[in-house]
Amino acid sequence: DAGVIQSPRHEVTEMGQEVTLRCKPISGHNSLFWYRQTMMRGLELLIYFNNNVPIDDSGMPEDRFSAKMPNASFSTLKIQPSEPRDSAVYFCASRGQQDEKLFFGSGTQLSVL
Amino acid sequence: QQQVKQSPQSLIVQKGGISIINCAYENTAFDYFPWYQQFPGKGPALLIAIRPDVSEKKEGRFTISFNKSAKQFSLHIMDSQPGDSATYFCAASPTGGGNKLTFGTGTQLKVEL
Repeated sequence: DAGVIQSPRHEVTEMGQEVTLRCKPISGHNSLFWYRQTMMRGLELLIYFNNNVPIDDSGMPEDRFSAKMPNASFSTLKIQPSEPRDSAVYFCASRGQQDEKLFFGSGTQLSVL
Repeated sequence: QQQVKQSPQSLIVQKGGISIINCAYENTAFDYFPWYQQFPGKGPALLIAIRPDVSEKKEGRFTISFNKSAKQFSLHIMDSQPGDSATYFCAASPTGGGNKLTFGTGTQLKVEL
C-alpha cells in the first residue's frame, strides 16, 4: 500500500484565494482525520470522519474552513478565503476499524501571502 | 486548555546516551498513550504506545514508563543514535472518544556524535 497520499505537497497562494487540499486514505481504513501543525500550536485536530461521515468538526477554526469526504477513498479540506494566519502544514491521517494506530500522510505545506 | 504537557521542548544527547522525554496529562478519561516520531518533511509515525494497565512497555531501545497516579508518562531512548534525531510527540485519547488524539507540543531531539 502506498500509504496516505496528500496533494499538493506545497501550496503558495495569495490572501483571499481559495485553497483545496486533497487526501487519499489507506484502502480499507474507515476513519480519516485532518490535522494542522504550526510551531505555535503544535498538532491540532481539525475534523475527523468515520465511514465518510463527519463526526467531530469542533477543531475547525472558523467558517472559512470546510471538509468533505464524498467516498471512502477521497477527502478534501477547503479554505475560502485564505488568510496569512492559515499558513501551516496540514496533515491527513487514516485509521482502520478496531485499530488505534494513525497513519499520517506527508502533509501539505501551505503558505498564504 | 492544554491537556497534554510535554517537556523538554528540545534535547541534545550524545551518541550512546539516554534520551528522556516527559509528558503529563489532565484528563483522567485518557486511557491510550502513544508516542509518535516525526522526521523533517514527513508526517508523524507511531513509535510505541501504552495503556494504563501496565507501568512500562519496551520495544527495542524505546521504553514507555507510565505513572497513573501522577498522570505522567515518559519515553526513554536507550543507546541514542544520530538516526533517532527527530521530533517526538506524546499523545493521549480516551476510550470511546473516536481515538481523538490530543498531542503534546513536541520535543526536538538531536543526537550528536
